[in-house]
Amino acid sequence: AQTVTQSQPEMSVQEAETVTLSCTYDTSESDYYLFWYKQPPSRQMILVIRQEAYKQQNATENRFSVNFQKAAKSFSLKISDSQLGDAAMYFCAYRISNAGNMLTFGGGTRLMVKP
Amino acid sequence: DVKVTQSSRYLVKRTGEKVFLECVQDMDHENMFWYRQDPGLGLRLIYFSYDVKMKEKGDIPEGYSVSREKKERFSLILESASTNQTSMYLCASSLNRPPQHFGDGTRLSIL
Repeated sequence: AQTVTQSQPEMSVQEAETVTLSCTYDTSESDYYLFWYKQPPSRQMILVIRQEAYKQQNATENRFSVNFQKAAKSFSLKISDSQLGDAAMYFCAYRISNAGNMLTFGGGTRLMVKP
Repeated sequence: DVKVTQSSRYLVKRTGEKVFLECVQDMDHENMFWYRQDPGLGLRLIYFSYDVKMKEKGDIPEGYSVSREKKERFSLILESASTNQTSMYLCASSLNRPPQHFGDGTRLSIL
């Protein structure tokens, strides 16, 4: 069975600074997707960024980027120039490419942003 | 924009009651999912459906059942609610490719 581990239950960052959230996963598959979802207090789960395992280039979406280390099975999220609106729960998720779009989620990291 | 609507934002029920959580999506998605979210455990898949009247068990199906009579609607049923089913429930839908689109969640309390 696939597992996804987020080792940091809580993180805090000063506004305008950079923070990195860690995620590791365990799989024997070679073809898969990885995702970071954000869940603000409004509870709406929002897709932040995705990475296909076959792509060597790290995905980037504006202030959000990932460090994908396939051999190490690591998928960290870097948030640059942190804003108050980035405060949320962040979930790392994994999907096998041919698994009917089912996701396996990590336990989540609560990010606090200090003004 | 994809819209996934869950019928209740908050719900309080009593032990032993039969509880229905409803989810509707407006994008003709084949796949629909029910997750349970608990602190430190993330989201865990209860059931999913890949077509009308089709369902598959997820990681924690015990104590739950589902119904999908129409493509746009996916219902989660707690046959006899227990206090350990107090949780946040999230519905999602998708095509046969990423991403999944989520509803706003139902916070269910069983007293």
